[in-house]
Amino acid sequence: DIQLTQSPSFLSASVGDRVTITCRASQGISSYLAWYQQKPGKAPKLLIYAASTLQSGVPSRFSGSGSGTEFTLTISSLQPEDFATYYCQQLNSYPPTFGQGTRLEIK
Amino acid sequence: EVQLVESGGGLVKPGGSLRLSCAASGFTFSSYSMNWVRQAPGKGLEWVSSISSSSSYIYYADSVKGRFTISRDNAKNSLYLQMNSLRAEDTAVYYCARDLHDYGDYGLGYWGQGTLVTVSS
Repeated sequence: DIQLTQSPSFLSASVGDRVTITCRASQGISSYLAWYQQKPGKAPKLLIYAASTLQSGVPSRFSGSGSGTEFTLTISSLQPEDFATYYCQQLNSYPPTFGQGTRLEIK
Repeated sequence: EVQLVESGGGLVKPGGSLRLSCAASGFTFSSYSMNWVRQAPGKGLEWVSSISSSSSYIYYADSVKGRFTISRDNAKNSLYLQMNSLRAEDTAVYYCARDLHDYGDYGLGYWGQGTLVTVSS
């Protein structure tokens, strides 16, 4: 199975900050990576697919990059509604594993 | 509007069975692969199972293989997860999720609200 390791696991930041979350795969997954946002008590929401394609309706302050084994999710200017937990998921091969999550909290 | 509504969760004793359902609407159900993803209390997301549009391809996580069965009824726009030999570690919110596109592997674009399964004596 392909393992995904997100860093950091916890991030404290302020409104307006630029933040980057990294997702590293244990083996190459081309660009078969998605990013999700989850708020407490809610279902996950797809933000980015194919490593860098913004899902419809997602604000442009979110961006994704990378290929192979290293990927990043960047939020260019944090808004209050962005404080949530973020997960990456690889779709290169079964099982389609998730990273352990990055919890983004208000400083 | 795409809607996915799960049902069937509840409290069950270890070793028991439960059948989850997911009612889909707002899209051509028979064209999309469907998935179950779970989340134990306070934990991360865990993919459970996937089924292709015509049920030709079915996949399971090792943690549920041999105990869970995914199925679908395209005439009823419904997805199912039959869960047998349940264990305490199966306690989680179970989400039904639709592939983003009807082609390729691009992620889970639509999710239901989830249904809680609690396995406890």
